[in-house]
Amino acid sequence: DVKVTQSSRYLVKRTGEKVFLECVQDMDHENMFWYRQDPGLGLRLIYFSYDVKMKEKGDIPEGYSVSREKKERFSLILESASTNQTSMYLCASSFEGQGDLGTSGGVYNEQFFGPGTRLTVL
Amino acid sequence: GQNIDQPTEMTATEGAIVQINCTYQTSGFNGLFWYQQHAGEAPTFLSYNVLDGLEEKGRFSSFLSRSKGYSYLLLKELQMKDSASYLCAVRSMNSGYSTLTFGKGTMLLVSP
Repeated sequence: DVKVTQSSRYLVKRTGEKVFLECVQDMDHENMFWYRQDPGLGLRLIYFSYDVKMKEKGDIPEGYSVSREKKERFSLILESASTNQTSMYLCASSFEGQGDLGTSGGVYNEQFFGPGTRLTVL
Repeated sequence: GQNIDQPTEMTATEGAIVQINCTYQTSGFNGLFWYQQHAGEAPTFLSYNVLDGLEEKGRFSSFLSRSKGYSYLLLKELQMKDSASYLCAVRSMNSGYSTLTFGKGTMLLVSP
Protein backbone atom coordinates (compact mmCIF):
# COMPACT_ATOMS: atom_id res chain seq x y z
CA ASP A 1 0.00 0.00 0.00
CA VAL A 2 1.07 3.53 -0.72
CA LYS A 3 1.97 5.39 2.39
CA VAL A 4 2.22 9.13 2.72
CA THR A 5 3.20 10.36 6.15
CA GLN A 6 3.31 13.84 7.61
CA SER A 7 5.51 14.86 10.50
CA SER A 8 2.79 16.09 12.86
CA ARG A 9 -0.98 15.69 13.18
CA TYR A 10 -1.36 18.85 15.27
CA LEU A 11 0.91 21.86 15.53
CA VAL A 12 0.57 25.14 17.40
CA LYS A 13 2.88 28.03 16.53
CA ARG A 14 3.08 31.73 17.25
CA THR A 15 2.83 34.56 14.75
CA GLY A 16 6.18 35.25 13.13
CA GLU A 17 7.65 31.81 13.78
CA LYS A 18 9.23 29.78 10.97
CA VAL A 19 7.30 26.56 10.48
CA PHE A 20 8.38 23.38 8.70
CA LEU A 21 5.88 20.75 7.62
CA GLU A 22 7.40 17.51 6.39
CA CYS A 23 5.93 14.91 4.07
CA VAL A 24 7.40 11.54 3.14
CA GLN A 25 6.10 8.98 0.62
CA ASP A 26 7.35 5.44 0.19
CA MET A 27 6.15 4.60 -3.33
CA ASP A 28 8.83 6.27 -5.42
CA HIS A 29 6.31 8.79 -6.79
CA GLU A 30 7.67 11.56 -8.97
CA ASN A 31 5.01 14.13 -8.08
CA MET A 32 4.33 15.61 -4.68
CA PHE A 33 1.82 18.27 -3.67
CA TRP A 34 0.96 20.53 -0.77
CA TYR A 35 -2.65 21.65 -0.22
CA ARG A 36 -4.47 23.53 2.47
CA GLN A 37 -8.08 22.75 3.31
CA ASP A 38 -10.41 25.33 4.87
CA PRO A 39 -14.15 25.16 5.57
CA GLY A 40 -16.14 26.53 2.66
CA LEU A 41 -13.05 26.81 0.46
CA GLY A 42 -12.14 23.18 -0.13
CA LEU A 43 -8.70 21.91 -1.02
CA ARG A 44 -6.41 24.49 -2.60
CA LEU A 45 -3.02 23.77 -4.14
CA ILE A 46 -0.09 25.65 -2.61
CA TYR A 47 2.96 24.17 -4.38
CA PHE A 48 3.86 21.02 -6.20
CA SER A 49 7.01 19.28 -7.34
CA TYR A 50 7.48 16.91 -10.27
CA ASP A 51 11.10 16.00 -9.56
CA VAL A 52 13.89 16.44 -7.04
CA LYS A 53 14.85 20.10 -6.62
CA MET A 54 11.99 21.16 -8.93
CA LYS A 55 8.98 23.12 -7.74
CA GLU A 56 6.01 24.90 -9.23
CA LYS A 57 3.59 27.38 -7.69
CA GLY A 58 0.03 26.30 -7.24
CA ASP A 59 -2.98 28.54 -6.80
CA ILE A 60 -2.06 30.10 -3.44
CA PRO A 61 1.75 30.14 -3.00
CA GLU A 62 2.00 33.48 -1.19
CA GLY A 63 3.57 33.19 2.25
CA TYR A 64 4.89 29.67 1.57
CA SER A 65 7.98 28.04 0.13
CA VAL A 66 8.93 24.41 -0.46
CA SER A 67 11.95 22.18 -0.62
CA ARG A 68 12.49 18.84 -2.30
CA GLU A 69 16.03 17.60 -1.76
CA LYS A 70 15.15 13.91 -1.98
CA LYS A 71 12.55 12.16 -4.10
CA GLU A 72 10.60 10.82 -1.13
CA ARG A 73 10.47 14.03 0.91
CA PHE A 74 8.68 17.31 0.27
CA SER A 75 8.74 20.09 2.83
CA LEU A 76 6.44 23.08 3.18
CA ILE A 77 7.90 26.14 4.86
CA LEU A 78 6.08 29.07 6.37
CA GLU A 79 8.82 31.71 6.64
CA SER A 80 6.88 33.88 9.08
CA ALA A 81 3.64 32.28 10.21
CA SER A 82 0.51 34.42 10.33
CA THR A 83 -2.90 33.76 11.81
CA ASN A 84 -4.47 33.45 8.35
CA GLN A 85 -2.28 30.39 7.77
CA THR A 86 -4.19 28.48 10.43
CA SER A 87 -5.51 25.55 8.43
CA MET A 88 -5.38 21.82 7.70
CA TYR A 89 -2.37 21.06 5.49
CA LEU A 90 -2.47 17.97 3.31
CA CYS A 91 0.40 16.45 1.39
CA ALA A 92 -0.16 14.15 -1.59
CA SER A 93 1.92 12.20 -4.08
CA SER A 94 1.38 10.50 -7.43
CA PHE A 95 3.16 8.88 -10.30
CA GLU A 96 3.99 11.02 -13.28
CA GLY A 97 1.86 10.83 -16.40
CA GLN A 98 -1.80 10.99 -17.27
CA GLY A 99 -2.57 7.35 -16.69
CA ASP A 100 -4.46 5.03 -18.99
CA LEU A 101 -6.95 6.73 -21.26
CA GLY A 102 -9.35 3.82 -20.93
CA THR A 103 -12.26 4.12 -18.56
CA SER A 104 -11.95 0.76 -16.91
CA GLY A 105 -9.09 -1.23 -15.54
CA GLY A 106 -6.74 1.58 -16.29
CA VAL A 107 -3.93 3.20 -14.39
CA TYR A 108 -5.23 6.41 -12.95
CA ASN A 109 -2.14 7.96 -11.43
CA GLU A 110 -4.38 9.26 -8.69
CA GLN A 111 -3.02 11.32 -5.84
CA PHE A 112 -2.53 9.62 -2.49
CA PHE A 113 -2.92 11.82 0.56
CA GLY A 114 -1.22 11.95 3.92
CA PRO A 115 -3.25 12.23 7.15
CA GLY A 116 -2.89 16.01 7.33
CA THR A 117 -1.40 18.46 9.79
CA ARG A 118 -3.75 20.80 11.60
CA LEU A 119 -1.74 23.97 12.13
CA THR A 120 -2.89 26.67 14.50
CA VAL A 121 -1.07 30.01 14.47
CA LEU A 122 -1.71 32.13 17.54
CA GLY B 1 -9.26 29.43 -14.78
CA GLN B 2 -10.91 26.41 -13.30
CA ASN B 3 -14.37 26.34 -11.77
CA ILE B 4 -15.96 23.32 -10.13
CA ASP B 5 -19.43 23.30 -8.58
CA GLN B 6 -21.04 20.68 -6.40
CA PRO B 7 -23.80 20.88 -3.79
CA THR B 8 -22.68 21.77 -0.29
CA GLU B 9 -24.73 19.20 1.56
CA MET B 10 -27.08 16.29 0.90
CA THR B 11 -29.02 13.98 3.16
CA ALA B 12 -30.27 10.47 2.49
CA THR B 13 -31.57 7.41 4.28
CA GLU B 14 -29.78 4.15 4.87
CA GLY B 15 -30.44 1.73 1.99
CA ALA B 16 -31.36 4.49 -0.46
CA ILE B 17 -29.60 5.73 -3.60
CA VAL B 18 -28.05 9.18 -3.84
CA GLN B 19 -26.55 11.07 -6.77
CA ILE B 20 -23.98 13.81 -6.21
CA ASN B 21 -23.53 16.12 -9.17
CA CYS B 22 -20.46 18.03 -10.24
CA THR B 23 -20.16 20.60 -13.01
CA TYR B 24 -16.89 22.05 -14.17
CA GLN B 25 -15.31 24.55 -16.53
CA THR B 26 -11.66 23.98 -17.18
CA SER B 27 -8.93 24.17 -19.76
CA GLY B 28 -6.68 21.23 -20.56
CA PHE B 29 -9.14 18.65 -19.15
CA ASN B 30 -7.47 15.30 -18.53
CA GLY B 31 -9.74 13.33 -16.26
CA LEU B 32 -12.12 13.67 -13.34
CA PHE B 33 -11.71 12.07 -9.93
CA TRP B 34 -14.03 11.49 -7.02
CA TYR B 35 -12.58 11.27 -3.53
CA GLN B 36 -14.21 10.40 -0.22
CA GLN B 37 -13.16 12.18 2.95
CA HIS B 38 -14.36 11.21 6.41
CA ALA B 39 -14.18 13.89 9.09
CA GLY B 40 -10.63 14.38 10.32
CA GLU B 41 -9.17 11.99 7.76
CA ALA B 42 -7.35 12.22 4.44
CA PRO B 43 -9.23 12.05 1.14
CA THR B 44 -9.23 8.58 -0.41
CA PHE B 45 -9.64 7.78 -4.10
CA LEU B 46 -13.04 6.48 -5.22
CA SER B 47 -13.25 6.71 -9.00
CA TYR B 48 -11.81 8.13 -12.18
CA ASN B 49 -13.37 9.03 -15.54
CA VAL B 50 -11.56 10.37 -18.57
CA LEU B 51 -13.87 9.25 -21.39
CA ASP B 52 -17.63 9.77 -21.52
CA GLY B 53 -19.72 7.14 -19.86
CA LEU B 54 -20.36 5.26 -16.68
CA GLU B 55 -17.78 3.56 -14.48
CA GLU B 56 -19.15 1.08 -11.96
CA LYS B 57 -17.30 -0.08 -8.89
CA GLY B 58 -19.45 -2.06 -6.50
CA ARG B 59 -21.95 0.24 -4.80
CA PHE B 60 -20.34 3.32 -6.33
CA SER B 61 -20.64 4.50 -9.95
CA SER B 62 -19.36 7.63 -11.64
CA PHE B 63 -20.49 9.20 -14.89
CA LEU B 64 -18.83 11.76 -17.12
CA SER B 65 -20.04 13.92 -20.00
CA ARG B 66 -17.13 15.99 -21.30
CA SER B 67 -19.28 17.99 -23.73
CA LYS B 68 -21.52 19.11 -20.87
CA GLY B 69 -18.76 19.53 -18.31
CA TYR B 70 -20.73 17.29 -15.98
CA SER B 71 -20.12 14.32 -13.75
CA TYR B 72 -22.04 12.52 -11.05
CA LEU B 73 -21.23 10.03 -8.33
CA LEU B 74 -23.96 7.49 -7.63
CA LEU B 75 -24.01 5.69 -4.30
CA LYS B 76 -26.33 2.71 -3.96
CA GLU B 77 -27.52 0.78 -0.89
CA LEU B 78 -26.35 3.58 1.37
CA GLN B 79 -24.75 2.65 4.65
CA MET B 80 -24.14 4.79 7.71
CA LYS B 81 -20.39 4.64 7.03
CA ASP B 82 -21.00 6.48 3.73
CA SER B 83 -21.56 9.67 5.72
CA ALA B 84 -18.59 11.72 4.54
CA SER B 85 -17.57 14.57 2.28
CA TYR B 86 -17.32 13.72 -1.43
CA LEU B 87 -14.84 15.72 -3.46
CA CYS B 88 -14.99 16.18 -7.20
CA ALA B 89 -11.57 16.96 -8.70
CA VAL B 90 -10.63 17.79 -12.27
CA ARG B 91 -7.19 16.98 -13.61
CA SER B 92 -5.91 19.44 -16.12
CA MET B 93 -2.73 19.63 -18.11
CA ASN B 94 -1.12 23.04 -18.29
CA SER B 95 2.43 23.98 -19.21
CA GLY B 96 3.39 20.33 -19.24
CA TYR B 97 2.23 19.56 -15.70
CA SER B 98 -0.94 17.93 -14.51
CA THR B 99 -2.64 19.19 -11.38
CA LEU B 100 -5.96 18.61 -9.65
CA THR B 101 -8.49 21.33 -8.95
CA PHE B 102 -10.98 20.34 -6.28
CA GLY B 103 -14.56 21.34 -5.76
CA LYS B 104 -15.53 22.46 -2.27
CA GLY B 105 -16.97 19.05 -1.49
CA THR B 106 -20.45 17.68 -0.79
CA MET B 107 -21.16 16.64 2.78
CA LEU B 108 -23.42 13.57 2.69
CA LEU B 109 -25.35 12.71 5.84
CA VAL B 110 -26.86 9.23 5.94
CA SER B 111 -29.56 8.71 8.56
CA PRO B 112 -31.05 5.43 9.82
